[in-house]
Amino acid sequence: GQNIDQPTEMTATEGAIVQINCTYQTSGFNGLFWYQQHAGEAPTFLSYNVLDGLEEKGRFSSFLSRSKGYSYLLLKELQMKDSASYLCAIMDSNYQLIWGAGTKLIIKP
Amino acid sequence: GAVVSQHPSRVICKSGTSVKIECRSLDFQATTMFWYRQFPKQSLMLMATSNEGSKATYEQGVEKDKFLINHASLTLSTLTVTSAHPEDSSFYICSAKDEEREWETQYFGPGTRLLVL
Repeated sequence: GQNIDQPTEMTATEGAIVQINCTYQTSGFNGLFWYQQHAGEAPTFLSYNVLDGLEEKGRFSSFLSRSKGYSYLLLKELQMKDSASYLCAIMDSNYQLIWGAGTKLIIKP
Repeated sequence: GAVVSQHPSRVICKSGTSVKIECRSLDFQATTMFWYRQFPKQSLMLMATSNEGSKATYEQGVEKDKFLINHASLTLSTLTVTSAHPEDSSFYICSAKDEEREWETQYFGPGTRLLVL
């Protein structure tokens, strides 16, 4: 079957670094997306990985290992506004999105 | 876990025709469902919030007469793109809110890819 796993909730301190992991098993792979979603708002696109390796974009980086079915989102220099849910989604062989349940990230001062 | 389905997964239609997309919550009740549209390499854009038994709330710039939303039951919301044109070609994604969860949770459907010729 198809499955995406990510932690339900994580807590981190302002100014620190946090890594949110996502593991997946899907029928085919056409890329992995990370979205940020603040409560009551639509998700915002953060990154797209289709090849193995690290993609860096400012304070956020996303890593992909297709052979391991694994990705992580790395957030550096955490700010209070980074408190949100982070969604991992896979585009499968039919170009359908399979969504993880999201990781709620709580930032403490 | 909670599952949201969409049907059809992809559709190709001629310009001027109408297309209906269904969004179903399979194992939970959803008073509120959301419809999003996503163009390539862009973020999801919220189109409207669908509330069971009442009229949908549309985001600014979204034509309510063109994108008809019906949320007739606690497990089904439909989006009808009326008189579709090529610029309506996009990836349409719905999500459903699980009211039973302690914190706000939306479960997303797999999306419907619409191509208007």
